[in-house]
Amino acid sequence: AQTVTQSQPEMSVQEAETVTLSCTYDTSENNYYLFWYKQPPSRQMILVIRQEAYKQQNATENRFSVNFQKAAKSFSLKISDSQLGDTAMYFCAFMNQAGTALIFGKGTTLSVSS
Amino acid sequence: DAGVIQSPRHEVTEMGQEVTLRCKPISGHDYLFWYRQTMMRGLELLIYFNNNVPIDDSGMPEDRFSAKMPNASFSTLKIQPSEPRDSAVYFCASSPLQVAKNIQYFGAGTRLSVL
Repeated sequence: AQTVTQSQPEMSVQEAETVTLSCTYDTSENNYYLFWYKQPPSRQMILVIRQEAYKQQNATENRFSVNFQKAAKSFSLKISDSQLGDTAMYFCAFMNQAGTALIFGKGTTLSVSS
Repeated sequence: DAGVIQSPRHEVTEMGQEVTLRCKPISGHDYLFWYRQTMMRGLELLIYFNNNVPIDDSGMPEDRFSAKMPNASFSTLKIQPSEPRDSAVYFCASSPLQVAKNIQYFGAGTRLSVL
């Protein structure tokens, strides 16, 4: 069975700084999808970024980028130029190639302060 | 599109009562998922549907939980009878089969409190 591990329950960063959130996963599959979702205090789950395992190039979305290390089964999220609005819980998630259910990590609570 | 719509936003009930949570997926999406979020267990999949048909309900905790999808635009998650340990945030998500491959779009969730 696939598992997703986020080893940092909480992190904090100053505005404008860069922060990296860690995620590791375990799977025997070769093709799959990885995601980072953001959950602000409003509770809404918002997709931040998505990576397809067969693509070697790391995904980027504006200030958000990932470091995808397939052999190490690592999928970290880097947030550049942190903003107060980035304060949220961040979830790493795995989806198998069949493309059905998401398996989530326990989340990392990120606090951005001024 | 309005996105995935869940109702109610908050539900407070007493132990033993029946609770029904509702979800309207994004129009045209083929998959619908129900997740539960608790402090102890995080986000867990309860059940998912493909074209209104339940595909995997192995995450449903026990027989007190049931889910239906009578048509492509509506799904319910019912708990009968409810217990305090059912208190959680319940999310509904939908996903298109082909477009934007495999991205799940979440509703705002229903916070359930069973007293």
